Amino acid sequence: NAGVTQTPKFQVLKTGQSMTLQCAQDMNHEYMSWYRQDPGMGLRLIHYSVGAGITDQGEVPNGYNVSRSTTEDFPLRLLSAAPSQTSVYFCASRRQGSEQYFGPGTRLTVT
Amino acid sequence: AQTVTQSQPEMSVQEAETVTLSCTYDTSENNYYLFWYKQPPSRQMILVIRQEAYKQQNATENRFSVNFQKAAKSFSLKISDSQLGDTAMYFCAFIYSGAGSYQLTFGKGTKLSVIP
Repeated sequence: NAGVTQTPKFQVLKTGQSMTLQCAQDMNHEYMSWYRQDPGMGLRLIHYSVGAGITDQGEVPNGYNVSRSTTEDFPLRLLSAAPSQTSVYFCASRRQGSEQYFGPGTRLTVT
Repeated sequence: AQTVTQSQPEMSVQEAETVTLSCTYDTSENNYYLFWYKQPPSRQMILVIRQEAYKQQNATENRFSVNFQKAAKSFSLKISDSQLGDTAMYFCAFIYSGAGSYQLTFGKGTKLSVIP
């Protein structure tokens, strides 16, 4: 199993540009999530999904969109990047009753 | 809503010594899981140890053990024989184990430095 994979590992955007962070898991997990990690803030939940076709907002959803067309994939879209979205982004997945498995993270810089 | 508090933003320990990281949580639930995750400079989030609230026995994984005090809502991590590779951020996390619970609640982390 590859586990949770994320691409890209690093990205630099200009303010106003859009992009999609890709996330995939091959463990057949129902639950998938996107977090952002900022210094001194821990991990904050952006959006999550409890299964294909079902998504919901987390703690900090503004400026981000998600969709879940398959069990495996859960992309995160930045519609119009802002400097406040400079962060490290983690995708994660889990099964009911199990721990969370994390991807390797994407470091995003918005200039 | 659940909250997780890690009161030590930074700690240091001499190599081969023992260190304890603190975590407290607040919940009205009775059935839940608690986790400690390690994040080394590589940024990867690695599960260190897991505790089910219904188990009275404290979880252990090699040099890592927890002191789980359910009544006090405390979940500390003890690292014995500290090694340089233990240098990392450590996050405590909580999740309710019942139906409809989807996401973990994380503390803000403790940065541990192991000194040679």
